[in-house]
Amino acid sequence: AQTVTQSQPEMSVQEAETVTLSCTYDTSESDYYLFWYKQPPSRQMILVIRQEAYKQQNATENRFSVNFQKAAKSFSLKISDSQLGDAAMYFCAYRSYTYSGGGADGLTFGKGTHLIIQP
Amino acid sequence: GAVVSQHPSRVICKSGTSVKIECRSLDFQATTMFWYRQFPKKSLMLMATSNEGSKATYEQGVEKDKFLINHASLTLSTLTVTSAHPEDSSFYICSARARVIDTQYFGPGTRLTVL
Repeated sequence: AQTVTQSQPEMSVQEAETVTLSCTYDTSESDYYLFWYKQPPSRQMILVIRQEAYKQQNATENRFSVNFQKAAKSFSLKISDSQLGDAAMYFCAYRSYTYSGGGADGLTFGKGTHLIIQP
Repeated sequence: GAVVSQHPSRVICKSGTSVKIECRSLDFQATTMFWYRQFPKKSLMLMATSNEGSKATYEQGVEKDKFLINHASLTLSTLTVTSAHPEDSSFYICSARARVIDTQYFGPGTRLTVL
């Protein structure tokens, strides 16, 4: 079974600064997807960024980028120019690549990191 | 695009009653839907996966007779919590994935409180 570990229960950053959230995972699979989801106080899960394991290039989405280190099984999220609206819980998630049906297609989440933006 | 709705957003029921939660994909056909449970200040735990027209697959430790899942169409899946007890109180979130969209899109969640 796959596991996802987020070792930072809470992080704080000044507005306009850069912050990096860490995530490590354990798997025996070679192909898989990794995701970062944001959950604001509304509880709505919002996809921030995704990475396919077979791609060497790190994914980027505007101010959000990842540092994907496959050999180290590390998948950190960097948020540049932090904004007040970035305050939320951030969850790292893993999904198997193959559509095998059942739970293998579901997401395995880390415990989350609570990001605080200080004005 | 890729909007998923859930109904109701909040429900309060008495112990012993059953509660149905609906999950709908509004602008795409969801071949697979997932049901997650989230306890306060905790992560999301996958409960079950449902594919349209077939029986749901439950994660280990999830009682299939208590949490009935029906994926009757490509846009609707329902989760029925039968004979609810206070320990079933939680935040339930569904997600949906289309065949050609390799990403799960989440509903806004349903807060269930069992008195």
